[in-house]
Amino acid sequence: SYDLTQPPSLSVSPGQTASITCSGDNLGHKSSSWYQQRPGQSPVLLIYRDGKRPSGIPERFSGSNSGNTATLTISGTQAMDEADYYCQAWDIDTAHVVFGGGTKLTVL
Amino acid sequence: EEQLVESGGGLVQPGGSLRLSCAASGFTFRSYWMSWVRQAPGKGLEWVANIKEDGNEKYYVDSVKGRFTISRDNAKNSLYLQMNSLRAEDTAVYYCARWGISSNCFGVWGRGTLVTVSS
Repeated sequence: SYDLTQPPSLSVSPGQTASITCSGDNLGHKSSSWYQQRPGQSPVLLIYRDGKRPSGIPERFSGSNSGNTATLTISGTQAMDEADYYCQAWDIDTAHVVFGGGTKLTVL
Repeated sequence: EEQLVESGGGLVQPGGSLRLSCAASGFTFRSYWMSWVRQAPGKGLEWVANIKEDGNEKYYVDSVKGRFTISRDNAKNSLYLQMNSLRAEDTAVYYCARWGISSNCFGVWGRGTLVTVSS
């Protein structure tokens, strides 16, 4: 099965840049997506097709994907960005959807 | 407004069955693949199943294959998940989500329904 690996946690100071990585075999050849989940809420799509933002998502959220690693970058991190972040890809060989384990972002 | 509303969760004993429903509104339901995604308490997201627009293709995570069945009724704008032979490890919030086949992502999510498998 295809696996995606994320760091369990990341801390960042307000106003700084947070970079959350997601690693998988040849992930750069797949389309990656990112979701934000605040406590008690449903996930929200932040990034799709590696770097596209749905309407309504702030420009401070950006994404990239190359080699074995996809990266979600949050510029000028705000207190409201404190949440869990999940990467996701689609394995074309099995037609299965895969999520990373999630990264808890703390803004302090 | 595009909306998904799940129902049918609850407490069930190990080995029991439960049927989840998801009512869609605000978009052309029959034009989209649909999915179920679950989240065990305090854990991460886990994809459960996908179903094609016409219901003729279905895919499942290995851990539920043979026990869960995803289905849809396009006339009723509804998605279902029939869960049989439930185990304690199936305890989770189950989310209904819209799958973008060209964007390979979940663009719309419901609020989820909690399934607890316990004696």
